[in-house]
Amino acid sequence: AAGVIQSPRHLIKEKRETATLKCYPIPRHDTVYWYQQGPGQDPQFLISFYEKMQSDKGSIPDRFSAQQFSDYHSELNMSSLELGDSALYFCASSPGEGANYGYTFGSGTRLTVV
Amino acid sequence: DQQVKQNSPSLSVQEGRISILNCDYTNSMFDYFLWYKKYPAEGPTFLISISSIKDKNEDGRFTVFLNKSAKHLSLHIVPSQPGDSAVYFCAAFDSGGGADGLTFGKGTHLIIQP
Repeated sequence: AAGVIQSPRHLIKEKRETATLKCYPIPRHDTVYWYQQGPGQDPQFLISFYEKMQSDKGSIPDRFSAQQFSDYHSELNMSSLELGDSALYFCASSPGEGANYGYTFGSGTRLTVV
Repeated sequence: DQQVKQNSPSLSVQEGRISILNCDYTNSMFDYFLWYKKYPAEGPTFLISISSIKDKNEDGRFTVFLNKSAKHLSLHIVPSQPGDSAVYFCAAFDSGGGADGLTFGKGTHLIIQP
C-alpha cells in the first residue's frame, strides 16, 4: 500500500543555509501535518494544511514556512538554519481534518545543521 | 508545560507477559487519544485510539483504557512479543479546538526480554 513519502531522507546543511523538505501524502489524503522531533524529544507539531490551505500552526519558528500544492504534496522551507534545527522532521497525512481520521506518518527527514 | 506525560522513559518486560504503558494528561479539552509505536529511523506507526466517550478499546493484543476522571490512559499489550520492542508515544487531540495537531508525550521505550 502507498505510504507517506518524505524526501530527502537525510540532509546536512551549514548554519544560515536554507533547506526544503518535501512530503507526498497518501493518495486521496487532503490533510498534511509537519512535526519536528529533536534528539531525545517528543514530536512537536509545527503546522498543518487542509485542502491546500493552512489549517493550523503549532510551534513553528518564523524562519520556517510551508505550503501545500495543488497535488497535495507539501514543502517545509527552513531558512537561516541554526544548530538547534537539527532534528527529525516528520510529515503525516490523513483523509480529513482531525486526528480521529487517523494519521499516517512518513519515515521522516533527518536534518543535521553543522 | 507538558500536557501529555509519559513518566516512564523505559520499561522492560519478559516475553509472554503483559506490558502496561501509562500516560497522563492535563488538558481536560482533549477528547481523543492515540498510541503510536516507533522504531529507530522510522516514522511513528498508529497502533490504537480511543475516544473520550469510551473507557476501553481493544484490538488484538492491544487494549487501551481511559480514565477521564483521573486524566489517565494506559496501553496493555498481552502477550508481549519481541517485535513489540520499540518506543511508544501517547498522543492527545482536542477535536473541538482550533489546533488539529497532536500533542505527544515523550515516549516510553519498551524492551521485551526473551
